[in-house]
Amino acid sequence: GAGVSQSPSNKVTEKGKDVELRCDPISGHTALYWYRQSLGQGLEFLIYFQGNSAPDKSGLPSDRFSAERTGGSVSTLTIQRTQQEDSAVYLCASSLMADWEYFGPGTRLTVL
Amino acid sequence: SQQGEEDPQALSIQEGENATMNCSYKTSINNLQWYRQNSGRGLVHLILIRSNEREKHSGRLRVTLDTSKKSSSLLITASRAADTASYFCAVFGERGSYIPTFGRGTSLIVHP
Repeated sequence: GAGVSQSPSNKVTEKGKDVELRCDPISGHTALYWYRQSLGQGLEFLIYFQGNSAPDKSGLPSDRFSAERTGGSVSTLTIQRTQQEDSAVYLCASSLMADWEYFGPGTRLTVL
Repeated sequence: SQQGEEDPQALSIQEGENATMNCSYKTSINNLQWYRQNSGRGLVHLILIRSNEREKHSGRLRVTLDTSKKSSSLLITASRAADTASYFCAVFGERGSYIPTFGRGTSLIVHP
C-alpha cells in the first residue's frame, strides 16, 4: 500500500479482555514503532523494531503489553487483561533508519 | 532525556497572521523533526532539520535550529484555517539512538 495502515480504526472492549492491534508498515521500511497517545498528550514510545534485531521494548508500560513483527513486515500489539487506563490512541509508524517517520491513522482503544 | 518540549502549549491567531512555535531539548541531537497532527489521529511529517543545518524552508513553513541554545522554531507564515492542528517536535539523539522523543505539542487554532 501507499502508506501505513492500522486496524481496527476503533476498538471498544470490556475491562479484562485481551485486544490485538495490527499495523501494516510501508513496504521496505525496516523500522517500525508503536506509540500511545492519551487525550491531549504527546506520544509515549512503546516499542521499536529494526530489521531482524531484537526489539527495543523499553517503553512498554507493563507485562500486559507485548508486540511482535512477523517476517519483518506486519506488526501486532497485544494488550492482555485491558484496564481503563489503557484507553488511548495507539499509533504505528515506519521509517528507513532514523529518518522521518510515516504514521498510520491510529487505533482508538476504549476500555469500558 | 532529550525530550523535545514545545512552547507555547496553545496558540490562537487570525487567518493571515504568522504562527511561531518553539521546541527545546536537552542533549546533543542527530536531527530534529516537526510533525502536524489533525483530530488526534496520525501525524504527518513536515520538516526534518539535521544538526549541521541552521534553517530549512518548505512552502509557508520555516524551521530554524540553534544547537547552542538547544532549540528549534517552526514558523508558519500567512496562516490559514486549515493550519489548525497540533504541532509536535521530535528529537533524534546522536548516532546509535533510533528512538525519537516527542514533546506534548502546540495546539494551534487559526480563526477564519
